[in-house]
Amino acid sequence: AQKVTQAQTEISVVEKEDVTLDCVYETRDTTYYLFWYKQPPSGELVFLIRRNSFDEQNEISGRYSWNFQKSTSSFNFTITASQVVDSAVYFCALSGLYSSASKIIFGSGTRLSIRP
Amino acid sequence: SAVISQKPSRDICQRGTSLTIQCQVDSQVTMMFWYRQQPGQSLTLIATANQGSEATYESGFVIDKFPISRPNLTFSTLTVSNMSPEDSSIYLCSVEDRNQETQYFGPGTRLLVL
Repeated sequence: AQKVTQAQTEISVVEKEDVTLDCVYETRDTTYYLFWYKQPPSGELVFLIRRNSFDEQNEISGRYSWNFQKSTSSFNFTITASQVVDSAVYFCALSGLYSSASKIIFGSGTRLSIRP
Repeated sequence: SAVISQKPSRDICQRGTSLTIQCQVDSQVTMMFWYRQQPGQSLTLIATANQGSEATYESGFVIDKFPISRPNLTFSTLTVSNMSPEDSSIYLCSVEDRNQETQYFGPGTRLLVL
């Protein structure tokens, strides 16, 4: 069975601090996708990144970086120099690789609050 | 990325009534998906909608409660039937983009059932 665990329910940091959101996944598939989505207070779901299981290279996009460790089944997300606008619920998710109707399994989400 | 709109954006409904939510995409897509997000919870897939065929429902969701239409490649509807307060949720549609890179989500419909 596929499962995504985000053990951190809520995190609160002061602006400009770095923060890491943890994500651990379970799957029996040998090939799969991992995602991070952001849900700000307005409610829409914003796509941040997709990673396939073939590519363990870490990725950086501005203040965001992602660390994919297949050996520990983790896909952690770090925000550097956090800003108030980063306050949102962040979801880690998992899906199969080859099916065009891949079901995305979401973690329970981590609510991130950035205090000014 | 695809631009997705949903109507209504929010609604307050009475117990026992039904509400139909519309999802419109600005490009033709093969797969459309409907998710539910109960208050303070994560997203759960309700069903997958292919154009020209019956929707495929996930465990715990049935067609009588959540009938879905998919009349063409840019539009789908989800009906929440015989509503109860437990149906109060955000309902989101999503589409798989043309290159199957990821799923993009609509803005959601916030439903409150009294």
